[in-house]
Amino acid sequence: EIVLTQSPATLSLSPGERATLSCRASQSVSSYLAWYQQKPGQAPRLLIYDASNRATGIPARFSGSGSGTDFTLTISSLEPEDFAVYYCQQRSIPEFGQGTRLEIK
Amino acid sequence: QLQLQESGPGLVKPSETLSLTCTVSGGSISSSSYYWGWIRQPPGKGLEWIGSIYYSGSTYYNPSLKSRVTISVDTSKNQFSLKLSSVTAADTAVYYCARPLAVAGFYYYYGMDVWGQGTTVTVSS
Repeated sequence: EIVLTQSPATLSLSPGERATLSCRASQSVSSYLAWYQQKPGQAPRLLIYDASNRATGIPARFSGSGSGTDFTLTISSLEPEDFAVYYCQQRSIPEFGQGTRLEIK
Repeated sequence: QLQLQESGPGLVKPSETLSLTCTVSGGSISSSSYYWGWIRQPPGKGLEWIGSIYYSGSTYYNPSLKSRVTISVDTSKNQFSLKLSSVTAADTAVYYCARPLAVAGFYYYYGMDVWGQGTTVTVSS
């Protein structure tokens, strides 16, 4: 079983700052990693698939990188609407990480 | 535009079977080689993948739930369904149906880009 560990659990930043979220897999998942954003009361929204490919309609300020066991979601300049919970997901058994809450500082 | 809608009882008694249906509109469930999945989220907690079904009927379940889960597809109704047996309070959650993306004719098993709005199921006597 592959376990995904996200860090930090909570990230406090201000609008305009750069956000860096981490997802580490307990064994290699190659490049098969996705990132989601979830706002309260809403279904998750796919941001990134295959580690670095933006899903349809996702702004360019969202980018993903990494391969093997270490992955990063970067938001280059935070907009007010970006404050939410972010999850990573791997492919083999498509389980999710525990999430990172991005909150306004 | 493809839309998914979950339906089913909002309250289930402990030890009984939870049954939910996802109705697909704006597209045919059997017209392409998509997977169709169920994900849940307990109150205040993270996402848990329950399982997926291929358009042809092949199923894939989370090992932690496999003994209690059945996912099926009814192409005549353009629906797929979830049954979770022997439920306890720990199965109380928002249940989502979802479909992974397809890119350049390749159908993904993960990366859900279409989601239902979710339905809340409470397990309580």
